[in-house]
Amino acid sequence: SYELTQPPSVSVSPGQTARITCSGDALPKQYAYWYQQKPGQAPVLVIYKDSERPSGIPERFSGSSSGTTVTLTISGVQAEDEADYYCQSADSSGTEEVFGGGTKLTVL
Amino acid sequence: QVTLKESGPVLVKPTETLTLTCTVSGFSLSNARMGVSWIRQPPGKALEWLAHIFSNDEKSYSTSLKSRLTISKDTSKSQVVLTMTNMDPVDTATYYCARIPADGYNYAFFDYWGQGTLVTVSS
Repeated sequence: SYELTQPPSVSVSPGQTARITCSGDALPKQYAYWYQQKPGQAPVLVIYKDSERPSGIPERFSGSSSGTTVTLTISGVQAEDEADYYCQSADSSGTEEVFGGGTKLTVL
Repeated sequence: QVTLKESGPVLVKPTETLTLTCTVSGFSLSNARMGVSWIRQPPGKALEWLAHIFSNDEKSYSTSLKSRLTISKDTSKSQVVLTMTNMDPVDTATYYCARIPADGYNYAFFDYWGQGTLVTVSS
């Protein structure tokens, strides 16, 4: 079955830039999406279609794509950004949705 | 505003069938190209997509769980129902329903989520 690979954890100090990667063979032909999940809460969409930002999401959140890797970038990280982040995409046929294993972002 | 709310049993026994209902408001299940997905998350683990259904009744299932899942909708009641047969303790998880917006029809993604409901499988 298709898999998306994320680093288990990323740590940054407040004000620095956090980059979270997600790798998958089908990413060159499928869009990627990113969700933020804080403890005890439902996920929130922060990036869609690789790099689009939903209304209400701060400009410090951005997304990019290059080959088989997509990246979520959080510029000027704030304490409130500490959360788990999941990428999501589809397999090469577009019939099955897949989530990455999640990355825990720690703000030091 | 758009809301989704999951309901169903909090405890099921192994081998039983789980039935979960997602009641939506703020949009219609007949809206063109919109859909609803079910996604689950075992305690401390990652999200796992289960199934989705679109306004035109198009359905899709996780390959690994397809034989155990059935998704359906009742547009008049604004409800989407998921059944999962032969429940096992490994199916213990928080089950979420989430909306697929119209521009997610060809590339599904989830813009609004319910609060989730924790289902425990135990005898």
